[in-house]
Amino acid sequence: GQNIDQPTEMTATEGAIVQINCTYQTSGFNGLFWYQQHAGEAPTFLSYNVLDGLEEKGRFSSFLSRSKGYSYLLLKELQMKDSASYLCAAPDNYGQNFVFGPGTRLSVLP
Amino acid sequence: NAGVTQTPKFRVLKTGQSMTLLCAQDMNHEYMYWYRQDPGMGLRLIHYSVGEGTTAKGEVPDGYNVSRLKKQNFLLGLESAAPSQTSVYFCASSYPAYGGNEKLFFGSGTQLSVL
Repeated sequence: GQNIDQPTEMTATEGAIVQINCTYQTSGFNGLFWYQQHAGEAPTFLSYNVLDGLEEKGRFSSFLSRSKGYSYLLLKELQMKDSASYLCAAPDNYGQNFVFGPGTRLSVLP
Repeated sequence: NAGVTQTPKFRVLKTGQSMTLLCAQDMNHEYMYWYRQDPGMGLRLIHYSVGEGTTAKGEVPDGYNVSRLKKQNFLLGLESAAPSQTSVYFCASSYPAYGGNEKLFFGSGTQLSVL
């Protein structure tokens, strides 16, 4: 089976840096995804990691450590529009079934 | 390119009523999914399909049925709605990926309330 855990809520200040952690336990490993979901909207893809290390995409970066079952999403130069839920997800052995963590609701304050 | 389209966006049912949610995608994706999202519980998989004519159970399938008669459509049915099925429902689709490296594309969601 698969289990994914992440903090429920976080608060940060505009312009700051925030790190959202995700720990996972999976029967196999086929990579780890991060999605962003604004209130009342659908999730949208942010990043994918399958190898250890940091993947950078503009203000957003995602890190993976397979040996520790750990990932984090790093958001730099926070903007008000970054207030959203951030979902950590992992596919199963066959890539057919995605398991999601509970999501971390990030509030960016002025 | 419309992507993934769900209908309806909102629906209110009485306990015991039935309904069908329609999901359509125009990206020629093989895989389609139905998730429900409840506060504090994240997205939970109800049923999924890896191709036309095939369906499989996810984590929380009880009380739901699905059909994938055409590749582009995935229907979710509730035969006898219960208040516990009050939730936001999301449809999603993706390319097949042996290795799991294909992202999901989501529809805009359906808010269902069962009274």
